[in-house]
Amino acid sequence: DGGITQSPKYLFRKEGQNVTLSCEQNLNHDAMYWYRQDPGQGLRLIYYSQIVNDFQKGDIAEGYSVSREKKESFPLTVTSAQKNPTAFYLCASSTGAGSGVQPQHFGDGTRLSIL
Amino acid sequence: SQQGEEDPQALSIQEGENATMNCSYKTSINNLQWYRQNSGRGLVHLILIRSNEREKHSGRLRVTLDTSKKSSSLLITASRAADTASYFCATGFATNKLIFGTGTLLAVQP
Repeated sequence: DGGITQSPKYLFRKEGQNVTLSCEQNLNHDAMYWYRQDPGQGLRLIYYSQIVNDFQKGDIAEGYSVSREKKESFPLTVTSAQKNPTAFYLCASSTGAGSGVQPQHFGDGTRLSIL
Repeated sequence: SQQGEEDPQALSIQEGENATMNCSYKTSINNLQWYRQNSGRGLVHLILIRSNEREKHSGRLRVTLDTSKKSSSLLITASRAADTASYFCATGFATNKLIFGTGTLLAVQP
């Protein structure tokens, strides 16, 4: 079955700690995205990558970092500089740019909380 | 910044009734998409309508787009308890980015 796998499902962060959220896809999609969802709000774009070894900041990139070394993987690190990290994090993927905007496929999210 | 605003924020109906949700946006778009999110899960793509289309159907879903008013509506006919979820519109641009609205929470009472 093709899809997107996010892990872990729940994650707890201590003060001053960096944590990394995993996102893996086997859909052979070029583009991948990270969103943050807060209660009662829509999704806000953190980072996106349209091709391996390239990524761009979204609307709320401060306090986050990403890498895109493999097509299948797009991990997100929540750094200690992110002062309010408690949220639901969603990873998505889509076919590449240049073909108009495509539907995005989502993982089931990671819920991050502060200890 | 959020481009799309859904209306209403919450909607409660009885099974078998129709549900209509509206989305307004601010700038020109390439297309508009609707997604569903069950509680605690990821989003699922429902339907995409391009800027040169006015209406699209998929099963019990009907989407309209009025680019002159910068608005779209999603109609779910003959609703079921399983349709209970949050519904989001998302506006798409040539950069392959989507901007999501704030969502409508639909509750279908059995």
